[in-house]
Amino acid sequence: DQQVKQNSPSLSVQEGRISILNCDYTNSMFDYFLWYKKYPAEGPTFLISISSIKDKNEDGRFTVFLNKSAKHLSLHIVPSQPGDSAVYFCAARTGGTSYGKLTFGQGTILTVHP
Amino acid sequence: ETGVTQSPTHLIKTRGQQVTLRCSSQSGHNTVSWYQQALGQGPQFIFQYYREEENGRGNFPPRFSGLQFPNYSSELNVNALELDDSALYLCASSRTSGRLGDTQYFGPGTRLTVL
Repeated sequence: DQQVKQNSPSLSVQEGRISILNCDYTNSMFDYFLWYKKYPAEGPTFLISISSIKDKNEDGRFTVFLNKSAKHLSLHIVPSQPGDSAVYFCAARTGGTSYGKLTFGQGTILTVHP
Repeated sequence: ETGVTQSPTHLIKTRGQQVTLRCSSQSGHNTVSWYQQALGQGPQFIFQYYREEENGRGNFPPRFSGLQFPNYSSELNVNALELDDSALYLCASSRTSGRLGDTQYFGPGTRLTVL
């Protein structure tokens, strides 16, 4: 049962344009969402997060949007840069006794062309 | 500030053997989580350790076990290795304080190959 899904395996954008990465989830108990970026031969690097009580969070070029009714979140990168080329994972967490468990999507490979 | 470190970087074992992977948490962090990432998949939660006790476990058999030490470093042990255990094993540390927003920071991982 895939509770977090990233339906686009890959995305290709031009440098300077917007990159939009999407993520859907099925578990309504998720209350905190994160995006990680992963380069080859490295561990995932934390990018940005959002609590379920918000619908938007911004950090520089990165903005995460959460639509709870649609169980959908997206990561916007503006402007995209070649160094953003990596695999992007969305992850979700519930509270309570499962506090520590992150559930990840399958990842989306972003390629930003110069 | 030292980040999360893992050892070894790569490891090759044969089926049926046992393996121990090690993780040092980031300075100031008291919680360690372990994940398995198969090729082309997202990381899957194995278990988490807080104050030297297991604090949550994913859908992994008992042959996956762990330890956390007083300095918050951790070990992941896998017994009776199977071919499907071949994966990248990731360790993540965080600071559990009872509040939302305790982000997990990952190490570079250990690539395990089982032949």
